[in-house]
Amino acid sequence: NAGVTQTPKFRVLKTGQSMTLLCAQDMNHEYMYWYRQDPGMGLRLIHYSVGEGTTAKGEVPDGYNVSRLKKQNFLLGLESAAPSQTSVYFCASTHGEDTQYFGPGTRLTVL
Amino acid sequence: AQSVTQPDIHITVSEGASLELRCNYSYGATPYLFWYVQSPGQGLQLLLKYFSGDTLVQGIKGFEAEFKRSQSSFNLRKPSVHWSDAAEYFCAVEPGNTGKLIFGQGTTLQVKP
Repeated sequence: NAGVTQTPKFRVLKTGQSMTLLCAQDMNHEYMYWYRQDPGMGLRLIHYSVGEGTTAKGEVPDGYNVSRLKKQNFLLGLESAAPSQTSVYFCASTHGEDTQYFGPGTRLTVL
Repeated sequence: AQSVTQPDIHITVSEGASLELRCNYSYGATPYLFWYVQSPGQGLQLLLKYFSGDTLVQGIKGFEAEFKRSQSSFNLRKPSVHWSDAAEYFCAVEPGNTGKLIFGQGTTLQVKP
């Protein structure tokens, strides 16, 4: 039981490049989330999903897209990376009325 | 709008001393309340949570938190801090069973030997 895993752990992009972050969970959770963490700002919700095939915007969705084609996976895409998207990205999952379990994070730098 | 405030950005305590980390929230009703801890380079680990019932909640690693409705607060406490408690602590609320967490800015705890 690996819990919540994230791929990759680190990535450096140039402005304008695209990439996809993968989150996988093996706990059969319905809800999945993508957050970004910036110094002094805590974690802010980017997008979330309440089930396979569904997605919704969070607090800071601009510049990101997501997909939940399989229940266990939640992908976060950056179509045209910007320096403002330099951050640490965390994925989380939960059944709903329960604790959110977090992945180890992806550290992204956009030059 | 809902918000969470952790007034102390950085706290330093001596090993063995008591600890209290403050958390205040802004929300019309009682939300679900959480404290998470993050060690350097790691993800977030749940320390404790409050959904309803007894307002004093026990968590892992010897931590406890008390919900005070009148003060809209959910402060985290530990009677005796260990060096391994040095980390960043986040208070979070889930308003109205939405499944979405709102985090405070975090408090960095430093422990002096």
